[in-house]
Amino acid sequence: DTGVSQDPRHKITKRGQNVTFRCDPISEHNRLYWYRQTLGQGPEFLTYFQNEAQLEKSRLLSDRFSAERPKGSFSTLEIQRTEQGDSAMYLCASSLADRVGYTFGSGTRLTVV
Amino acid sequence: AQRVTQPEKLLSVFKGAPVELKCNYSYSGSPELFWYVQYSRQRLQLLLRHISRESIKGFTADLNKGETSFHLKKPFAQEEDSAMYYCALQGFQKLVFGTGTRLLVSP
Repeated sequence: DTGVSQDPRHKITKRGQNVTFRCDPISEHNRLYWYRQTLGQGPEFLTYFQNEAQLEKSRLLSDRFSAERPKGSFSTLEIQRTEQGDSAMYLCASSLADRVGYTFGSGTRLTVV
Repeated sequence: AQRVTQPEKLLSVFKGAPVELKCNYSYSGSPELFWYVQYSRQRLQLLLRHISRESIKGFTADLNKGETSFHLKKPFAQEEDSAMYYCALQGFQKLVFGTGTRLLVSP
């Protein structure tokens, strides 16, 4: 296990298309997080899973966004009907518990044209 | 409200000079704070946690509850310290990040 993996690394899509990203966390980590980062900003929280349960969603996560973690292992983040404002780096992170810090993936850079 | 403020977007110093990256937070509970670093073309990684009271790569950070600060310090900067630094607060079930400070260490 070499850390948190995200796929794809880059995605260019046309406005209105749907996109799906995948995150594979560190295998023993039961907590998985999705963040979004735009230019000049720090990572902003989107949603959080403990095992397969989605426990919190940010108001940034509009109804066009959906995340799943079906078996408590990998997670997917889908964006429907993409808009130019969705262009950002989407980061996935995992952790074993609170207060110990997260391990981040390399991110998926989404460009909506 | 949970908020982290990093007032400087860019800090530029010469090699060997002391460095202090500022971080202030707002949190009603007992704060748990972190510094993350992102080197060029690398992923975001944990640098240090306040609870560990450790020194990593010569960096230290002390939590000052009176001033609600968690500044990152290093007495002698090295060129390889050039990176983006993010201060983060452990809120309820998630980390809240500041906007980051780019540290540029020139030879």
